[in-house]
Amino acid sequence: AQSVTQLGSHVSVSEGALVLLRCNYSSSVPPYLFWYVQYPNQGLQLLLKYTSAATLVKGINGFEAEFKKSETSFHLTKPSAHMRDAAEYFCAVSERGTYKYIFGTGTRLKVLA
Amino acid sequence: DARVTQTPRDKVTEMGQEVTMRCQPILGHNTVFWYRQTMMQGLELLAYFRNRAPLDDSGMPKDRFSAEMPDATLATLKIQPSEPRDSAVYFCASGLSGQGGAGELFFGEGSRLTVL
Repeated sequence: AQSVTQLGSHVSVSEGALVLLRCNYSSSVPPYLFWYVQYPNQGLQLLLKYTSAATLVKGINGFEAEFKKSETSFHLTKPSAHMRDAAEYFCAVSERGTYKYIFGTGTRLKVLA
Repeated sequence: DARVTQTPRDKVTEMGQEVTMRCQPILGHNTVFWYRQTMMQGLELLAYFRNRAPLDDSGMPKDRFSAEMPDATLATLKIQPSEPRDSAVYFCASGLSGQGGAGELFFGEGSRLTVL
């Protein structure tokens, strides 16, 4: 069965610092992987997705993620945090052909001035 | 601008009452998902449909929850009777299944349910 684990429910970084949000997955077959962002009182929006093309995926708002099969990881990074990046971030996995999307428990990012 | 529409946005009810949440998926999308978000559990998948047929509702408490798609433009999630532990934000999301699970999900803004 597929699952996804996000390490750290809360992450704080200073404005301008590197953002690193961790995600590890478990799947019996190579999965599709996603990062979504949720701003207060809103639904989730897609940041980026991995669908077995390039292992380094670039998304919106300067975020990117790298798929590492050997580590079963799909960590999200951004070189320089901005105040507007403060939100909750969810990693998700979809096993090929199942149409079933499973989300991690989320990481709340706080950006300090 | 195509979007998933959920009603009601906010609902306060008393324990034992029936609650129905509605979702209008994006026109042309053929997969619909119901998720429940709480502080403790995060986003839990309750049920999902493809071409209006239920594929999996194993995440849903069967004794009180039911999910249906009467037609392609409407999905419903019903709780009867409601309990305080059902208090949460319920999200509907839709997508296209043609990409075999690689497609993006589009989320509604959620229905915040409070059961007193």
